[in-house]
Amino acid sequence: DVKVTQSSRYLVKRTGEKVFLECVQDMDHENMFWYRQDPGLGLRLIYFSYDVKMKEKGDIPEGYSVSREKKERFSLILESASTNQTSMYLCASSYPGTGRPGYTFGSGTRLTVV
Amino acid sequence: SQQGEEDPQALSIQEGENATMNCSYKTSINNLQWYRQNSGRGLVHLILIRSNEREKHSGRLRVTLDTSKKSSSLLITASRAADTASYFCATENSGGSNYKLTFGKGTLLTVNP
Repeated sequence: DVKVTQSSRYLVKRTGEKVFLECVQDMDHENMFWYRQDPGLGLRLIYFSYDVKMKEKGDIPEGYSVSREKKERFSLILESASTNQTSMYLCASSYPGTGRPGYTFGSGTRLTVV
Repeated sequence: SQQGEEDPQALSIQEGENATMNCSYKTSINNLQWYRQNSGRGLVHLILIRSNEREKHSGRLRVTLDTSKKSSSLLITASRAADTASYFCATENSGGSNYKLTFGKGTLLTVNP
């Protein structure tokens, strides 16, 4: 069964910590994405990557960075965690090109920053 | 920035009834997709409709697309309690180079047994 795996379901971190959220996919997808989901705001794109070592900013990249050293792994980094980064983080992957059959999402990481 | 906007925000129906959710968007699209999210989990892709298509079916799902009104609807027929979830529309905007999706805020569907 193909899947996108996020390393943690729940995470609690302290303000100011550097936080790594890991995402691995086994479908050989070129594209990978990080979204955050907040009540009333829906899903907002943080960063995406369309190839190894390639990345583009999404709609809300401030306070985040990403790393894609291998095709199957896409990491989201919170350089200095703040309480307003408490959220559900969702990783997704897809084939490139228009009309390909949708994104595959991981189960999400619920991050709490205290 | 949000592209799709779902309507209603919440919908509560009885098992066996049909559920209709609507999505409006603002710019030209290549395709529109619908996703389901069970509470606290990731999203699952349901169906994709291309900009040159008007209607598509998949099992109990029926999706329509009206590009002149920039709107889409998702119909779930003969709903079941297991259909309880949030439903999101997502648009792949034309003119972009990397085909990323923009999601709406979702409709919370509750199907009462």
